Amino acid sequence: DTGVSQDPRHKITKRGQNVTFRCDPISEHNRLYWYRQTLGQGPEFLTYFQNEAQLEKSRLLSDRFSAERPKGSFSTLEIQRTEQGDSAMYLCASGVSKNTEAFFGQGTRLTVV
Amino acid sequence: AQRVTQPEKLLSVFKGAPVELKCNYSYSGSPELFWYVQYSRQRLQLLLRHISRESIKGFTADLNKGETSFHLKKPFAQEEDSAMYYCALRHSGGSNYKLTFGKGTLLTVNP
Repeated sequence: DTGVSQDPRHKITKRGQNVTFRCDPISEHNRLYWYRQTLGQGPEFLTYFQNEAQLEKSRLLSDRFSAERPKGSFSTLEIQRTEQGDSAMYLCASGVSKNTEAFFGQGTRLTVV
Repeated sequence: AQRVTQPEKLLSVFKGAPVELKCNYSYSGSPELFWYVQYSRQRLQLLLRHISRESIKGFTADLNKGETSFHLKKPFAQEEDSAMYYCALRHSGGSNYKLTFGKGTLLTVNP
């Protein structure tokens, strides 16, 4: 599968712990996005990278959340001091500037207990 | 503020029947509209976009700016069309990378 890859697929953590997710976009895609999806909702935009630059962060992304894309390839999303409200599916997507299509990964399902 | 509304959470039809999944949007600029689909245990994927004006898997969608709608239609539903469907709006201008999604409609096509 040469699509967007996310790791891990599932994560269960205790409240207060830190977690980190990884996203490997499709090769040569310069755009990378993180979305969050909770039960019964559509995906909600969290943040956007163009190459290594983080160009926008949603209000949904509190200061406990940080995302990086250090070399303009893979990206990580870290959540510090997790809360039960952070339980969700975290989706990564990638694309190229001249094409508006976003290609999604299969997501990382986070459960905070 | 931008908003995408899919009024039906669930839609159930019989095989061979016509199907219409409704989508209405609210956006002050010139949006680009998409339909994304998620089949069981698969990733979210693009089904079609309004600027292409194409038919994918027998589905079509027409952007109606007057009614601010982008309904998805198929004349004869198939069992393999059963999936979650999300309508999405791409922002224009400086935030043209961002998608706003509706809450989705779960389509079930019964044999």
